[in-house]
Amino acid sequence: DAMVIQNPRYQVTQFGKPVTLSCSQTLNHNVMYWYQQKSSQAPKLLFHYYDKDFNNEADTPDNFQSRRPNTSFCFLDIRSPGLGDAAMYLCATSRDRGQGTDTQYFGPGTRLTVL
Amino acid sequence: AQSVTQLGSHVSVSEGALVLLRCNYSSSVPPYLFWYVQYPNQGLQLLLKYTSAATLVKGINGFEAEFKKSETSFHLTKPSAHMSDAAEYFCAVSPNQGGKLIFGQGTELSVKP
Repeated sequence: DAMVIQNPRYQVTQFGKPVTLSCSQTLNHNVMYWYQQKSSQAPKLLFHYYDKDFNNEADTPDNFQSRRPNTSFCFLDIRSPGLGDAAMYLCATSRDRGQGTDTQYFGPGTRLTVL
Repeated sequence: AQSVTQLGSHVSVSEGALVLLRCNYSSSVPPYLFWYVQYPNQGLQLLLKYTSAATLVKGINGFEAEFKKSETSFHLTKPSAHMSDAAEYFCAVSPNQGGKLIFGQGTELSVKP
């Protein structure tokens, strides 16, 4: 089945220690998104890639970076995790990014714990 | 700016009862609206979406939603709740900027036996 895969499902890191979260997709979609979802809150978009074009949200901290080496993979790098970065990180994909016309498909998420 | 408001952070119903989850949107242009469901420690799954075709949208698992422009609402309903419906439900709007989803705060649905 075509799908969005996130690894690992659970990640524990130490305060200030860089961490990378991984997302892969078999849907061959052009767009890949990263959302941050804190406990009992709505998902919040951090950034997205349209093909190789990186689009950062205005309020995304510089501590968060992303790489997309090819169509299938996208990585979220947190350079110096703080306690406030503990959250569920959701990867999503869509075929295109026309307004509302393209459904976003979500992975299962990676729950990040910062000690 | 477009936004959605979900009324009620927690809703509890008995098994077999009607489910009604409320969502109101704010938009100066015709919106594209979505309902997603999230089970514990899982990603989001699309239930249904409104893209300016039929105002009554049918989704998966017996859910449907009706777009009412006059009330700026897109409430989610299911005639008969099942225990497996217990989850977090998010209403979302897609603004003019391509691809972005703006989510409401979510409604946690509990189903009592």
